[in-house]
Amino acid sequence: EAGVVQSPRYKIIEKKQPVAFWCNPISGHNTLYWYRQNLGQGPELLIRYENEEAVDDSQLPKDRFSAERLKGVDSTLKIQPAELGDSAVYLCASSQGQSNTEAFFGQGTRLTVV
Amino acid sequence: QKEVEQDPGPLSVPEGAIVSLNCTYSNSAFQYFMWYRQYSRKGPELLMYTYSSGNKEDGRFTAQVDKSSKYISLFIRDSQPSDSATYLCAMQNSGTYKYIFGTGTRLKVLA
Repeated sequence: EAGVVQSPRYKIIEKKQPVAFWCNPISGHNTLYWYRQNLGQGPELLIRYENEEAVDDSQLPKDRFSAERLKGVDSTLKIQPAELGDSAVYLCASSQGQSNTEAFFGQGTRLTVV
Repeated sequence: QKEVEQDPGPLSVPEGAIVSLNCTYSNSAFQYFMWYRQYSRKGPELLMYTYSSGNKEDGRFTAQVDKSSKYISLFIRDSQPSDSATYLCAMQNSGTYKYIFGTGTRLKVLA
């Protein structure tokens, strides 16, 4: 069974440029999470989806970040415009349901903003 | 004060040692407790999860939860160099379903 797939693995962009990350969760997993992990820190939740509905986006900086999960499967996370402080690893995770504690993570996208 | 506190380490131990990793938390609503292992430049990998208080064992790993003290532990027996990684504790709020992670403890097992 394929795990959570993210792309790209690495991205380097100049500040003020847009960037997008893509995530394909494990088949059958209704819950999808986007996390940001800064160096030396644990992951911090940005947004959680139940199917196509964003049920928790309280930590998403909505002035520059947006996300979508069309058809309740794949998801994209976008930053526009990127700032230097956005440099981090962006992790996608999925689980069978929001009450299911077994969340599986992708490899992450390492973003560097210069 | 952070909801979840975890000593970042690094923690260096000789091969074969018993390793004890710990987290404390402040939110009584946490009901599920997880331990993830994260190798460098990889995503976190779920090792174990426990519901409420008690112990859970899986091979060389034992997870303990003491809700009265708001303290959780992960023990690794007969540690191996391949156990060298960052270990993240995570907790789920049973009401909001939100996961909160600790900062992670970096472990190095020396051959």
